Amino acid sequence: AQSVTQLDSQVPVFEEAPVELRCNYSSSVSVYLFWYVQYPNQGLQLLLKYLSGSTLVKGINGFEAEFNKSQTSFHLRKPSVHISDTAEYFCAVSDSSYKLIFGSGTRLLVRP
Amino acid sequence: DSGVTQTPKHLITATGQRVTLRCSPRSGDLSVYWYQQSLDQGLQFLIHYYNGEERAKGNILERFSAQQFPDLHSELNLSSLELGDSALYFCASSIHRDNPSYEQYFGPGTRLTVT
Repeated sequence: AQSVTQLDSQVPVFEEAPVELRCNYSSSVSVYLFWYVQYPNQGLQLLLKYLSGSTLVKGINGFEAEFNKSQTSFHLRKPSVHISDTAEYFCAVSDSSYKLIFGSGTRLLVRP
Repeated sequence: DSGVTQTPKHLITATGQRVTLRCSPRSGDLSVYWYQQSLDQGLQFLIHYYNGEERAKGNILERFSAQQFPDLHSELNLSSLELGDSALYFCASSIHRDNPSYEQYFGPGTRLTVT
């Protein structure tokens, strides 16, 4: 069965600092990986996805993630965060069944 | 705006009651997914419909059921409600007729409060 682990429940960071949100997955089949962001009282918005090809994927709002098959990781990074990046971030995995399995989420708290 | 709409936005009801949540997918999307987000369980997949047919079930209680209609909108029915059913229910859509994709686009959610 597939599963996703987001070890950090909360990541505090100062504005303009870099950030990395960690995601590890387990699956016995080929997977597709996603990062979604949820702002307060809103739905989930797709940040980026890995389906195949280049292991470094770029998304919206300056975020990027690197797929590492040997370490079964898909960490999300941003070189310089803004106050407006404060939100909950979810890593998710899918396979040919299409359904998304989500991690528990990481709350990014950007401080001035 | 993802193009996925959900109604109502908020719903407050009593234990034992039955409610219906409605979802309209993005124009052209054939798949509808339902997810439940709660503080203790996180985001959980409930059920997937594709072009009117049930394709997959997740951790969906027997008291819950769903369907997708010919116009592709979907309804999630929750009955014999319990306090623990209080959660945010999301609908997502994907798989456009012309451009199959694994990306799912989420609606704004329906917040259900059972009192």
